[in-house]
Amino acid sequence: QVQLVQSGAEVKKPGASVKVSCKASGYTFTSCYIHWLREAPGQGLEWMGIINPSVGSTTYAQKFQGRVIMTGDTSTSTIYMDLSSLRSEDTAVYYCARAAPGYSSGWLDYWGQGTLVTVSS
Amino acid sequence: SYVLTQPPSVSVAPGQTAMITCGGNNIVSKSLHWYQQKPGQAPALVVYDDFDRPPGIPERFSGSNSGNTATLTITRVEAGDEADYYCQVWDNSSDLRMLFGGGTKLTVI
Repeated sequence: QVQLVQSGAEVKKPGASVKVSCKASGYTFTSCYIHWLREAPGQGLEWMGIINPSVGSTTYAQKFQGRVIMTGDTSTSTIYMDLSSLRSEDTAVYYCARAAPGYSSGWLDYWGQGTLVTVSS
Repeated sequence: SYVLTQPPSVSVAPGQTAMITCGGNNIVSKSLHWYQQKPGQAPALVVYDDFDRPPGIPERFSGSNSGNTATLTITRVEAGDEADYYCQVWDNSSDLRMLFGGGTKLTVI
């Protein structure tokens, strides 16, 4: 069965960087785009960007451009999201999610369990 | 920029029908998707492409999309349906991006 398993919770200081991983299994890793989203406390879902694991191409939300880098490792079927220059407002649960096969846009059919990133001095 | 508007909350008694709306300018021109999120869990897809259901989602969940409003309808509501529900589109009108509504808390009273 399709699974996306994310790395564990992180606590970071303002100005630091965090790298969250998302390991995919149960399907052909290079056949589906992966999106990253986040949910801040009491807030809704916010889209951060998308990566094509086959070629590594990315599109980032304008809000995160310059601060986020998404990469993939086909040898381990893992996607990484690196967010730099962290501030308190980046405290959130970060999710990876799979786009439906054959689509880059559209809907997200499988989600990781989420990774809590806390930014605090 | 495009905006999706959802009511913050909807309350319904068990066995009744819940209707959760998602408003947007000419939303009928977009493919609309719905997610259910229970406390402490990741969101889960319940309707995609306006009205299709993923495997395992009960027929009690249905979607529609017309004019400026899309609707998620849940019939014969159960206590286990209590959750936050989010609508989602892909917006390529300006900055290419995935957009979500603000979410609707469904309370089963």
